[in-house]
Amino acid sequence: EAGVAQSPRYKIIEKRQSVAFWCNPISGHATLYWYQQILGQGPKLLIQFQNNGVVDDSQLPKDRFSAERLKGVDSTLKIQPAKLEDSAVYLCASSLMGIPETQYFGPGTRLLVL
Amino acid sequence: KNEVEQSPQNLTAQEGEFITINCSYSVGISALHWLQQHPGGGIVSLFMLSSGKKKHGRLIATINIQEKHSSLHITASHPRDSAVYICAVSEGNNRLAFGKGNQVVVIP
Repeated sequence: EAGVAQSPRYKIIEKRQSVAFWCNPISGHATLYWYQQILGQGPKLLIQFQNNGVVDDSQLPKDRFSAERLKGVDSTLKIQPAKLEDSAVYLCASSLMGIPETQYFGPGTRLLVL
Repeated sequence: KNEVEQSPQNLTAQEGEFITINCSYSVGISALHWLQQHPGGGIVSLFMLSSGKKKHGRLIATINIQEKHSSLHITASHPRDSAVYICAVSEGNNRLAFGKGNQVVVIP
């Protein structure tokens, strides 16, 4: 069974530039999560999708971050414009139904904003 | 909002030693997860438990719901166990609240 795929694995940009990350969850998983993990901290949920609907985006900085999952499968997360404090690992995870259950994580995208 | 605290923050052990790391949380939960994160960022789910104890290989996870506390034990530790171990609790809609992690280093 293929795992959660993410791309790119690494990205370096300058502040005020835009960047987009892509995630393809495990086939059949209805729930998709985007997390931000700053060095030395645990992941923080940015947004949770159930199929193509948003379940929770309360911690998403909506002035600069956006995410979509148009067909209920893969998803993109965009930052526009980026700030220095956005430097982090962006993790995508998926789970089957979204009830308390195991989440499967992708390898992450490491973003450095200069 | 659930506050998830992990201890010790850093732990160094000799190969073969028994390791225990701890997690406490502040509000009742539906499930607790132990995750392993190796350098490079990938996270692997080790356990999800809501009561009692689970065992997988050399890893044992326990939870005490009344005391809002969980422990992860590693028996016969090995250098490949070196990683950050993250505790997370489920807060409805499968939203997870994460601790900062326990950095474990096992020296050959």
